[in-house]
Amino acid sequence: AQSVTQLDSQVPVFEEAPVELRCNYSSSVSVYLFWYVQYPNQGLQLLLKYLSGSTLVESINGFEAEFNKSQTSFHLRKPSVHISDTAEYFCAPNNAGNMLTFGGGTRLMVKP
Amino acid sequence: DSGVTQTPKHLITATGQRVTLRCSPRSGDLSVYWYQQSLDQGLQFLIQYYNGEERAKGNILERFSAQQFPDLHSELNLSSLELGDSALYFCASSIDTYNEQFFGPGTRLTVL
Repeated sequence: AQSVTQLDSQVPVFEEAPVELRCNYSSSVSVYLFWYVQYPNQGLQLLLKYLSGSTLVESINGFEAEFNKSQTSFHLRKPSVHISDTAEYFCAPNNAGNMLTFGGGTRLMVKP
Repeated sequence: DSGVTQTPKHLITATGQRVTLRCSPRSGDLSVYWYQQSLDQGLQFLIQYYNGEERAKGNILERFSAQQFPDLHSELNLSSLELGDSALYFCASSIDTYNEQFFGPGTRLTVL
């Protein structure tokens, strides 16, 4: 069965600093990868996804994630965060043929 | 707006009671998922239905049950409620099992 590890439960960072939220998954078999974001008091929203092709995928609000098959990782990065990025971020791999498996989440706390 | 609707938004009830949460998936989505999110347990997958049939089961208690109706809406029934059942309950839908899930706004259940 697929499993996913988000190595940091909380990441405090100052505004305009870079950030990386780490995600590792258990299988190197063909896999789809997703990052979801949950803003306070809201449901989860899809942030970005990797299905195939270029290993670097980007979201519309400046986040990017890189699929690294050899390291079974899909870390999320942003070069300069804003206060509005404060949220919980969930990594979700999907082994082909199976359902998404959500990680434990990483709470990003952006401080002024 | 994800296109997934959930009712009610808030629910306050007493221990021992039974409640029903309702979810309408996005138009065209055949698969419905239920999740429970609490501070101590995080986001937990409960159950999945696909086109009316149960497809996968997660950490769902025997006191909980769900179904998906011919019009594809779904209901999650929680009975013999305990204080520890207080949580946010999310419904998500997807076109099939492998692709991204779209989350509803959630139902906040408070058991007193």
